[in-house]
Amino acid sequence: DAGITQSPRHKVTETGTPVTLRCHQTENHRYMYWYRQDPGHGLRLIHYSYGVKDTDKGEVSDGYSVSRSKTEDFLLTLESATSSQTSVYFCAISDGGNMNTEAFFGQGTRLTVV
Amino acid sequence: AQKITQTQPGMFVQEKEAVTLDCTYDTSDPSYGLFWYKQPSSGEMIFLIYQGSYDQQNATEGRYSLNFQKARKSANLVISASQLGDSAMYFCAMEGGATNKLIFGTGTLLAVQP
Repeated sequence: DAGITQSPRHKVTETGTPVTLRCHQTENHRYMYWYRQDPGHGLRLIHYSYGVKDTDKGEVSDGYSVSRSKTEDFLLTLESATSSQTSVYFCAISDGGNMNTEAFFGQGTRLTVV
Repeated sequence: AQKITQTQPGMFVQEKEAVTLDCTYDTSDPSYGLFWYKQPSSGEMIFLIYQGSYDQQNATEGRYSLNFQKARKSANLVISASQLGDSAMYFCAMEGGATNKLIFGTGTLLAVQP
């Protein structure tokens, strides 16, 4: 199994509080991604990183920020959590670049904002 | 901009029959990769098959094959001899561009009936 770990796995938080989710990899993959999964919407890209300190927005980036200060860690922060951010969050890693390599996924984080 | 479309929210298939899951995509990048993932009810993301934009032949992996029609921008997944364990959500995905953006479709929920 690919070395990718998400923490925490479950979290309940109150509206208005900041929340940080962590994605840690031991594969030295260049690309890292954060998605949220909601019924009927599939996996929607929030932010992604194509190198240390290089990040870009996905389709649902409002209310989220990310940081990648080293290859192995990609942090997703909800600056002020809202109920609409209740979701399952997945991190993925990839070597990418048409190298015929799959993206590997973390186990997911179930976040509930009350 | 990249886009992935899966138009079948749900499908039924009889055990041992073949089934085709549709996926169309849009991108202006000449170099890209197409993937299919399976997500069973347990939630993990399982890689099934990959097709590169320059690959001349359709990809195959066991009972899975990818019907790649570049001119039509379609990448349909064919599952032969369906099994009860194939019941799951199936996602089509595409990666490409200078930053290796990886996006997913909304998924197709496949139910295999005995």
